[in-house]
Amino acid sequence: DGGITQSPKYLFRKEGQNVTLSCEQNLNHDAMYWYRQDPGQGLRLIYYSQIVNDFQKGDIAEGYSVSREKKESFPLTVTSAQKNPTAFYLCASVPVGGERQPQHFGDGTRLSIL
Amino acid sequence: GQQLNQSPQSMFIQEGEDVSMNCTSSSIFNTWLWYKQDPGEGPVLLIALYKAGELTSNGRLTAQFGITRKDSFLNISASIPSDVGIYFCAGRLTDSWGKFQFGAGTQVVVTP
Repeated sequence: DGGITQSPKYLFRKEGQNVTLSCEQNLNHDAMYWYRQDPGQGLRLIYYSQIVNDFQKGDIAEGYSVSREKKESFPLTVTSAQKNPTAFYLCASVPVGGERQPQHFGDGTRLSIL
Repeated sequence: GQQLNQSPQSMFIQEGEDVSMNCTSSSIFNTWLWYKQDPGEGPVLLIALYKAGELTSNGRLTAQFGITRKDSFLNISASIPSDVGIYFCAGRLTDSWGKFQFGAGTQVVVTP
């Protein structure tokens, strides 16, 4: 089955630690996105990538970093500079030629601070 | 980035009742999407709208793209217990490649 796979489902971060969230898709989608979801708020865009080896900052990129070395993969690193990392993180992708196509989401990773 | 105004924030309804929620903005959009999200899961696309005035149904769900292009609504008819969840809207600005703004969500609780 095609889809977007996020791992792990739950992740715990110690103070001063960097952690990496995985997002893999086998849908042959060009564009991939990372969102942060907090209770009572809409999804906020962290980073997005339209093609391999290129990515752009979203609205809340500070304290996060990404890479896009392969079309299928768009990992997100939450660095120690992100002082409030506890949230639900969602990865999404859009089909080829999908300027107006809807985004499809993975099942998310919940990150908590130890 | 700006978020969409979605209302109501929550709804407590009895099984069989209809549900209505909407999203508004001061900006103009060329795409509206409606998603449903269960706790701890990713959002699932319910309906996509691409033209002003468009009215689209998916089973008991009906959504409309407002004619001003600044709003959209979602109706759920004859609600059932599995309709429980958070519903949220997403709109794409006309000059924003592949980037969406999102509403904060409407939590729907259905009681038997």
